Amino acid sequence: DAKTTQPTSMDCAEGRAANLPCNHSTISGNEYVYWYRQIHSQGPQYIIHGLKNNETNEMASLIITEDRKSSTLILPHATLRDTAVYYCIVRVKSGGGADGLTFGKGTHLIIQP
Amino acid sequence: NAGVTQTPKFRILKIGQSMTLQCTQDMNHNYMYWYRQDPGMGLKLIYYSVGAGITDKGEVPNGYNVSRSTTEDFPLRLELAAPSQTSVYFCASSYPSGNNEQFFGPGTRLTVL
Repeated sequence: DAKTTQPTSMDCAEGRAANLPCNHSTISGNEYVYWYRQIHSQGPQYIIHGLKNNETNEMASLIITEDRKSSTLILPHATLRDTAVYYCIVRVKSGGGADGLTFGKGTHLIIQP
Repeated sequence: NAGVTQTPKFRILKIGQSMTLQCTQDMNHNYMYWYRQDPGMGLKLIYYSVGAGITDKGEVPNGYNVSRSTTEDFPLRLELAAPSQTSVYFCASSYPSGNNEQFFGPGTRLTVL
């Protein structure tokens, strides 16, 4: 799986959009970008994933650059409950991903009241 | 659905003792995983299974054993506990299609003294 680079920590005001960047310059053509988050002491939670088009679901939006070397996770209206560590993971989706996920240290997002 | 459940939530072991961490999922997922998370770090894959009777090593398998006799259960065995195994252990499961989302349990916090 390709390596990812994320900022160690970020702050965002409650109610504003939180934009979390991720660099994955060595991503291969068949690798997807996945985002998970981990709220303190809990198991990670899936947020969203994408290949090359922008994606949106009820939790977040994912913007992938045209060259696919970087992406941004957007939480449109951050709340205090969004304070968590956010992991950007690049992996091949085919085959069901039986070999598990490779987690880096992620970005610690702190939502300020 | 209860999702992925893990027992116990907490455990303290003495060096050299053994124990089994239990993991059960009720989503009929083929794939199951065990990860460990050391303080301030991302999760690392210990073992995974693609179905009953099939297991394989992940990134950090030394000191652990697993078995998968049923679709639902995937216990992790520590035979001779060492202080280096002090960690939080997460079990996860996924279905080999769709978005390949992994569902995580709440974790077991293990301390070896």
